[in-house]
Amino acid sequence: GQNIDQPTEMTATEGAIVQINCTYQTSGFNGLFWYQQHAGEAPTFLSYNVLDGLEEKGRFSSFLSRSKGYSYLLLKELQMKDSASYLCAVLDSNYQLIWGAGTKLIIKP
Amino acid sequence: GAVVSQHPSWVICKSGTSVKIECRSLDFQATTMFWYRQFPKQSLMLMATSNEGSKATYEQGVEKDKFLINHASLTLSTLTVTSAHPEDSSFYICSATDRENSPLHFGNGTRLTVT
Repeated sequence: GQNIDQPTEMTATEGAIVQINCTYQTSGFNGLFWYQQHAGEAPTFLSYNVLDGLEEKGRFSSFLSRSKGYSYLLLKELQMKDSASYLCAVLDSNYQLIWGAGTKLIIKP
Repeated sequence: GAVVSQHPSWVICKSGTSVKIECRSLDFQATTMFWYRQFPKQSLMLMATSNEGSKATYEQGVEKDKFLINHASLTLSTLTVTSAHPEDSSFYICSATDRENSPLHFGNGTRLTVT
């Protein structure tokens, strides 16, 4: 079956760096997305990786290794507003999005 | 950037009534729209995929006669929850894309409460 694993919850300190990992086993691969979702709101797009390597976008970076079925989202200079759930999603060979359960990130002062 | 508008943001209805939720892509043509529901503290659950001009494809376990989806144009899809019951109370979110491997753009969601 298809499976996406990411930690349920993480805690970090304001100003620090945190890495949220995502591993996947899917039927084919057409890209991996990271979304941020604040409680009670819809997800917002953060990043898309289809090739191996690191994509940097401001304070957020996303890394992909297709051979390892692995990605991470790196958040630098954490701010309180970064407290949210972070969803990893993979586009499979049928262009269906397979969603992870999300990682709840708690930022402490 | 691409914007998806979803309406209403929240709705309270009585058990047995029907509720319609609209999803519009404002500045792009959405060839495919997706409808999700999300229960508290859980991830998104895909309900159905709709392509303009054709019947929606429903996920296993989703009743197509209860959750009516219409994708009449490239910018509008509607979800109608028919004969709503309290267990249908949830957060419903639509998303749209103009091509297969581009990011989804989400509406702001509709919080449905059935009393």
